[in-house]
Amino acid sequence: DAGVTQSPTHLIKTRGQQVTLRCSPKSGHDTVSWYQQALGQGPQFIFQYYEEEERQRGNFPDRFSGHQFPNYSSELNVNALLLGDSALYLCASSTLLGTSGILISYNEQFFGPGTRLTVL
Amino acid sequence: AQSVTQLGSHVSVSEGALVLLRCNYSSSVPPYLFWYVQYPNQGLQLLLKYTSAATLVKGINGFEAEFKKSETSFHLTKPSAHMSDAAEYFCAVRRGADGLTFGKGTHLIIQP
Repeated sequence: DAGVTQSPTHLIKTRGQQVTLRCSPKSGHDTVSWYQQALGQGPQFIFQYYEEEERQRGNFPDRFSGHQFPNYSSELNVNALLLGDSALYLCASSTLLGTSGILISYNEQFFGPGTRLTVL
Repeated sequence: AQSVTQLGSHVSVSEGALVLLRCNYSSSVPPYLFWYVQYPNQGLQLLLKYTSAATLVKGINGFEAEFKKSETSFHLTKPSAHMSDAAEYFCAVRRGADGLTFGKGTHLIIQP
């Protein structure tokens, strides 16, 4: 089991450009969450994808968007890059748990190694 | 809203000494609580989690944490520090199926 994988490992972009980061979840997981970790800070929740839809979003602008594919892999897209978008982007996968169609929890989130984005 | 406060951005202990990393949380509902460790240039690894079962939680690598509702705390301890414990430690809180809310982290330094 390869665990959670992310690509690329490092990326350098200039202000105003667009970037796409990719994540493959751990085998058996159906949910992908994305986090932004600025230097010296804790990770901040961007959004979570389940059944190919964004089910929850943190306090991030619309420049941040995502997608989940039928095989549960996911992409994070950031448009109109700003210097402040420079960070480590972490992907985490898990399995949502629920009853009667209501999602109430999820099991342990496994994190990937991250993609280091530098915006110049 | 939820929040996590980690007291001390840097903690330094001698090898073999007790490790104590502090975490206080606020949550409007009973939370799930977690401690993660991050080694340089790596992702996050789960050390332990509290999910409303036993209040004393044992994790990997000899770490444990105690949930104290009256103090809204979830401090991480290890009886004897090892050089390999040097890393960044993050406390996190979660409600239900929400995303994780992390603290700012504590950098643990182990002195030989």
